[in-house]
Amino acid sequence: EAGVTQFPSHSVIEKGQTVTLRCDPISGHDNLYWYRRVMGKEIKFLLHFVKESKQDESGMPNNRFLAERTGGTYSTLKVQPAELEDSGVYFCASSQFIGTGNTIYFGEGSWLTVV
Amino acid sequence: AQSVTQPDIHITVSEGASLELRCNYSYGATPYLFWYVQSPGQGLQLLLKYFSGDTLVQGIKGFEAEFKRSQSSFNLRKPSVHWSDAAEYFCAVGARAAGNKLTFGGGTRVLVKP
Repeated sequence: EAGVTQFPSHSVIEKGQTVTLRCDPISGHDNLYWYRRVMGKEIKFLLHFVKESKQDESGMPNNRFLAERTGGTYSTLKVQPAELEDSGVYFCASSQFIGTGNTIYFGEGSWLTVV
Repeated sequence: AQSVTQPDIHITVSEGASLELRCNYSYGATPYLFWYVQSPGQGLQLLLKYFSGDTLVQGIKGFEAEFKRSQSSFNLRKPSVHWSDAAEYFCAVGARAAGNKLTFGGGTRVLVKP
């Protein structure tokens, strides 16, 4: 069974440009999460999808970030325009359900560098 | 609100020695607790998790953790460290009421000396 896959694995863009990160969750997982770790900081929650609906987007830093999950399958996270402080690693995670016994699986991350 | 503290930013341990990583959490109800590891250039891998029941949890790679409610702690241990255990370790807390959203500690970077 394939795990959570993220694309691209690494991206270097200039300040002001746009970057779109993609996440393919494990098949059958309704819950999809985005997290990020900017340099020197903690891993922070960004948002949570249940199928195609945004369940919790309390961690989205500002309106330069847009996440979508059309059809409840893969998700994209767009940063437009990118700023220097957006550099870091963006993790996607998925889980089958919410509650006891559930495991949240993480992808390998998308490393973003804004120059 | 949930919070997690990992007091040690860096730990250096000799290969073959024991390792203990500290984790303290704050949450009003019984939390779900996790330890993840991130090796250089890799993603987050789940080492172990605690939801309920036996407070001593066994994980992969020879790791174990003990949930102590009275101390709000979930420390990670390994009896004998291997060079491949050099990585960054993250403790995290989640809760069903929060949609299983995870709150992470700041991480502890483990260096292994030959």
